Amino acid sequence: GQNIDQPTEMTATEGAIVQINCTYQTSGFNGLFWYQQHAGEAPTFLSYNVLDGLEEKGRFSSFLSRSKGYSYLLLKELQMKDSASYLCAVRDTAGGYNKLIFGAGTRLAVHP
Amino acid sequence: GAGVSQTPSNKVTEKGKYVELRCDPISGHTALYWYRQSLGQGPEFLIYFQGTGAADDSGLPNDRFFAVRPEGSVSTLKIQRTERGDSAVYLCASSPGDRGPGTDTQYFGPGTRLTVL
Repeated sequence: GQNIDQPTEMTATEGAIVQINCTYQTSGFNGLFWYQQHAGEAPTFLSYNVLDGLEEKGRFSSFLSRSKGYSYLLLKELQMKDSASYLCAVRDTAGGYNKLIFGAGTRLAVHP
Repeated sequence: GAGVSQTPSNKVTEKGKYVELRCDPISGHTALYWYRQSLGQGPEFLIYFQGTGAADDSGLPNDRFFAVRPEGSVSTLKIQRTERGDSAVYLCASSPGDRGPGTDTQYFGPGTRLTVL
């Protein structure tokens, strides 16, 4: 089966660093995506990992360990506008070539 | 260029009615996807088109749901005999579809919020 777990809610302070974890179990694996979704808006693409290691993109970084079924999204120098839901999604080859399986999302609240 | 667009942005209907939701993908994207998102949940896959054909419709919940993409561009999701449980945000995404699996990123539209009374 397929299972993706991430924390429901997190809070952090403006200017700080926050790490959002995601664990997954899939029959096949062909990449992990992170999306940001502000309330009432579309998910927007943040990052993609298919090999183990860290991918850095400005203030955002994403890490993947395929052997552990684990990823995290690291947000540095937090800004108020980073308050949003962060969705972890896995492309599972057993479920269909281009189908993404999403976690429920982690709602991040950044406060002053 | 323009992103994925969806119309209407909001749709309120009565139980038992028929609705159509439209998706206009990014120009040149051959792959198109429909997802459904309930409050507090991540998007749930419904159907995937490669060109005009439905390559994977395993996420459609039952035969009241149907989607078409007759010319390989615009897609319409059709729901017959709507039920209150169909209320959700229906998201459409598109991707280039012509690259290797490692680089085919999906880009989402703003969604249609469907409310069935």
